[in-house]
Amino acid sequence: NAGVTQTPKFQVLKTGQSMTLQCAQDMNHEYMSWYRQDPGMGLRLIHYSVGAGITDQGEVPNGYNVSRSTTEDFPLRLLSAAPSQTSVYFCASLSVSYEQYFGPGTRLTVT
Amino acid sequence: DAKTTQPPSMDCAEGRAANLPCNHSTISGNEYVYWYRQIHSQGPQYIIHGLKNNETNEMASLIITEDRKSSTLILPHATLRDTAVYYCIVRTTDSWGKLQFGAGTQVVVTP
Repeated sequence: NAGVTQTPKFQVLKTGQSMTLQCAQDMNHEYMSWYRQDPGMGLRLIHYSVGAGITDQGEVPNGYNVSRSTTEDFPLRLLSAAPSQTSVYFCASLSVSYEQYFGPGTRLTVT
Repeated sequence: DAKTTQPPSMDCAEGRAANLPCNHSTISGNEYVYWYRQIHSQGPQYIIHGLKNNETNEMASLIITEDRKSSTLILPHATLRDTAVYYCIVRTTDSWGKLQFGAGTQVVVTP
């Protein structure tokens, strides 16, 4: 299994640009989520999904959209990038035994 | 979900056991104790979790006090690769989507 994969690894955007961070898992996990981690801080939940077609907001959802059309994929869209969205973004999935697996992260810089 | 308190940092000598404390005095009866770690620049890694019994796996042991108000993660033989930030989290199995990571404990293993 590849586990949880994320692309791209690094991205630089200009203010106002939009983009999609990709996340995929091959473990057939129903639950997936997106977090952001700012320097020296813990992770904050952006959005999560309990299955295909079902998503919900986390702690810091503003400026981000998600959709879940398949079990495997859970993309995160930045609608209009702002410097405050400069962060490291982690995608995660949850097993049936409640073990959570994280991807390697996407490092985003917004100038 | 109950909040947790961890020391901000601790050092450990290579080859010795590392004992990481976590206080969760407001834990509810249906909340589990989870431990994750994050090695610099990588995604968080699941370590272990438990409800009230002590647990052990290939990575670590989890000791939960009888009143469940605190727990200790034990790395039996610390190596340099165990240097990381360790997060203690308590949550119910149906609230995982709102997983809140705090500041954690920075563990430095020294030769």
